[in-house]
Amino acid sequence: GAVVSQHPSWVICKSGTSVKIECRSLDFQATTMFWYRQFPKQSLMLMATSNEGSKATYEQGVEKDKFLINHASLTLSTLTVTSAHPEDSSFYICSAREPQGLNQPQHFGDGTRLSIL
Amino acid sequence: QQQVKQSPQSLIVQKGGISIINCAYENTAFDYFPWYQQFPGKGPALLIAIRPDVSEKKEGRFTISFNKSAKQFSLHIMDSQPGDSATYFCAASHGYQKVTFGIGTKLQVIP
Repeated sequence: GAVVSQHPSWVICKSGTSVKIECRSLDFQATTMFWYRQFPKQSLMLMATSNEGSKATYEQGVEKDKFLINHASLTLSTLTVTSAHPEDSSFYICSAREPQGLNQPQHFGDGTRLSIL
Repeated sequence: QQQVKQSPQSLIVQKGGISIINCAYENTAFDYFPWYQQFPGKGPALLIAIRPDVSEKKEGRFTISFNKSAKQFSLHIMDSQPGDSATYFCAASHGYQKVTFGIGTKLQVIP
């Protein structure tokens, strides 16, 4: 099946630093990737939709300047949490949608556990 | 507004039993209904999906039942095993639009 790789799987850093998370589709070209945030025992909250070659579309309430998304190629999207603070600690998950046709399934990465000290 | 309502939020089933998770949706434009399985510390994995032109889809021990008129769909896990213990999310989408997830059901299968 389709594979989406997310890196790193776990990162701990000091408050005020910026953290970059990579999301790669390994066996298909993804024109659209998604970034989610998940709090413990809760559902996935869509943060933004990333389209290759264009600006990301952010969901209401998500700070664009805080969560920078770059979708530079058909297989790579990155999420940079800028000037991270403890309240940004969470589980971040990316997904990529198979490109052919409507309603293609999304495949998820294994997530990145971000802990800000 | 929760567009996909999922129940129950937690479920305990004995090994060998049937696990049933229900979802209801409001947006009649939805035309793709996937189910995802998530283990702790991992991302969700696509389990099975259905489109509204069929009423049932079966893959191994997993079956989706779909009732278009009632705007409901459910996941049945037959012969549930301890390895099935995970959180299950139903979801719905339309065309190229974003996927809407249910709140999740934590399933525990006890020996």
